[in-house]
Amino acid sequence: QKEVEQNSGPLSVPEGAIASLNCTYSDRGSQSFFWYRQYSGKSPELIMFIYSNGDKEDGRFTAQLNKASQYVSLLIRDSQPSDSATYLCAVKVPLGSGYALNFGKGTSLLVTP
Amino acid sequence: DAGVIQSPRHEVTEMGQEVTLRCKPISGHDYLFWYRQTMMRGLELLIYFNNNVPIDDSGMPEDRFSAKMPNASFSTLKIQPSEPRDSAVYFCASSFTRVDQPQHFGDGTRLSIL
Repeated sequence: QKEVEQNSGPLSVPEGAIASLNCTYSDRGSQSFFWYRQYSGKSPELIMFIYSNGDKEDGRFTAQLNKASQYVSLLIRDSQPSDSATYLCAVKVPLGSGYALNFGKGTSLLVTP
Repeated sequence: DAGVIQSPRHEVTEMGQEVTLRCKPISGHDYLFWYRQTMMRGLELLIYFNNNVPIDDSGMPEDRFSAKMPNASFSTLKIQPSEPRDSAVYFCASSFTRVDQPQHFGDGTRLSIL
């Protein structure tokens, strides 16, 4: 079983702080990693993807990848109440003759005003 | 551009009835995925198609579930007969082939089996 692990939370941070969301994965062959945000009652929406070791920044979001440690993280700077949602880590893995996404169960983030 | 379109958005039916969920992927995408999401198990992959061909259905829970993709713009997920434990949100997603391309999700179908 190829696992993607996330703390379920809730992770509570004050408005304006940095929120740090973490994810570990078990399949060393994984090549691409995705962060999705899911508001309650809505579908997952893509925030960022990363496939090279190091950091990737997009606005207030930074994804960090360490393949040696099998670790992916998402940092949200200047957190806003509108960032309150569940964040899903997903790892692209070979499945059959193609690829599929293996999702973690998500971390619930609450940004308090 | 239109995203992934699913119908119906909500379905409430009685145990034993047949349920059919529908999905139209984003035009040009050659992968289509069906997921089920519950609080207990999170987001689970049921089956996926590549160029309309089912590639892996190892996530389909049992023979009561079936999926088809008769053409590049339409797929169905059918449950027959339905049971209360099938109650969940079912998502369809599509993507391009390249390994770095993300999946785009539809709005989901919230299914309740009474």
